[in-house]
Amino acid sequence: GAGVSQSPRYKVTKRGQDVALRCDPISGHVSLYWYRQALGQGPEFLTYFNYEAQQDKSGLPNDRFSAERPEGSISTLTIQRTEQRDSAMYRCASTSQASGRDEQFFGPGTRLTVL
Amino acid sequence: AQSVTQLDSHVSVSEGTPVLLRCNYSSSYSPSLFWYVQHPNKGLQLLLKYTSAATLVKGINGFEAEFKKSETSFHLTKPSAHMSDAAEYFCVVRNYGGSQGNLIFGKGTKLSVKP
Repeated sequence: GAGVSQSPRYKVTKRGQDVALRCDPISGHVSLYWYRQALGQGPEFLTYFNYEAQQDKSGLPNDRFSAERPEGSISTLTIQRTEQRDSAMYRCASTSQASGRDEQFFGPGTRLTVL
Repeated sequence: AQSVTQLDSHVSVSEGTPVLLRCNYSSSYSPSLFWYVQHPNKGLQLLLKYTSAATLVKGINGFEAEFKKSETSFHLTKPSAHMSDAAEYFCVVRNYGGSQGNLIFGKGTKLSVKP
């Protein structure tokens, strides 16, 4: 596609349910980053991949959060047993190279609301 | 460690008047600095970036920013505000620490433009 896409754009779920958020990067982009943006704050780093390898997951808040990118393209961020504090905008970004020095192109985000 | 501080959470200007959005940075390395803009219901868009070339950086839509090492500042300016500039603006530094290339965002400055 022309840009980074994310789905769903909006997700409302009940506390305790699992959710899966999808990111489809720009075709051919090597690196993929996940960020979380709480209301009134800037995005905060969660994790990133080069190709299919998860390089750093130090930003994941706890073990309920996991991410994968099995074929080096689409990535899924999964939150298990959601809690109200997980409510936020989840954004992903991709870059063309793995050097970490290229522009990150952001998707529109998924707004997650946990009731 | 790297960080950025946006000095104003909200700035209001009249259409046709200058815009100044202030940002200070902290970095152990020669920093890579960015300004991103976020319009409602849209993804983050890169306005401009500084990567140790010219200290005065020109971006899209008439914005520019000046890197001042002595003041550790990277303020965003525009000579004449337009109604379409109303958005949230994020000052960003690239993390060259543990996670290669991830971005560290400020808390954002919401720009309002009055007719």
